[in-house]
Amino acid sequence: NAGVTQTPKFQVLKTGQSMTLQCAQDMNHNSMYWYRQDPGMGLRLIYYSASEGTTDKGEVPNGYNVSRLNKREFSLRLESAAPSQTSVYFCAIADRGLGNTIYFGEGSWLTVV
Amino acid sequence: AQSVSQHNHHVILSEAASLELGCNYSYGGTVNLFWYVQYPGQHLQLLLKYFSGDPLVKGIKGFEAEFIKSKFSFNLRKPSVQWSDTAEYFCAVNPFSGTYKYIFGTGTRLKVLA
Repeated sequence: NAGVTQTPKFQVLKTGQSMTLQCAQDMNHNSMYWYRQDPGMGLRLIYYSASEGTTDKGEVPNGYNVSRLNKREFSLRLESAAPSQTSVYFCAIADRGLGNTIYFGEGSWLTVV
Repeated sequence: AQSVSQHNHHVILSEAASLELGCNYSYGGTVNLFWYVQYPGQHLQLLLKYFSGDPLVKGIKGFEAEFIKSKFSFNLRKPSVQWSDTAEYFCAVNPFSGTYKYIFGTGTRLKVLA
């Protein structure tokens, strides 16, 4: 998985609790992404960061915040978790330019009860 | 808005059957195109990609895909599937528009019967 590390791998939250998913890379790639995967919905982009210091909303940003602390790390925060945020979350990285591949972390399974 | 459509949500085949999974995208400019595979409980792994040159690209495990620009399509094929190909397959587009987004289809679940 090309040096993308996500933590935690599994988490159960109560409705209203907050938590942060961490993602770190050792590939020195510029762009980092957070996706969520739900059955029948494919992967939907939550937020992305084209470079250190910049972040942009994806398709489904509501209920989430992100922080690109430095080139290596990109965190995803749920301020007040809701059952609709039960999902598998994937962090991904890519370098810029034609033909560059996006690489995924191993995923974080989040259940909100 | 840019989007990716995968026409088949579930496909069931017997071993040795041929496979073709459809993928269409909506974007008129230059694109990078990808197919990823996700085995149960695992992360997405790259099968193959296209960004320029020969529109017929070959990937790992005997998979290939053909880019047809006029049809905005990038269909995945394999002449003879194996039980181990049971997985979910995702088509993805990276529009070369400066936004650095990768847009994924909803996926196709393939089950290969032994």
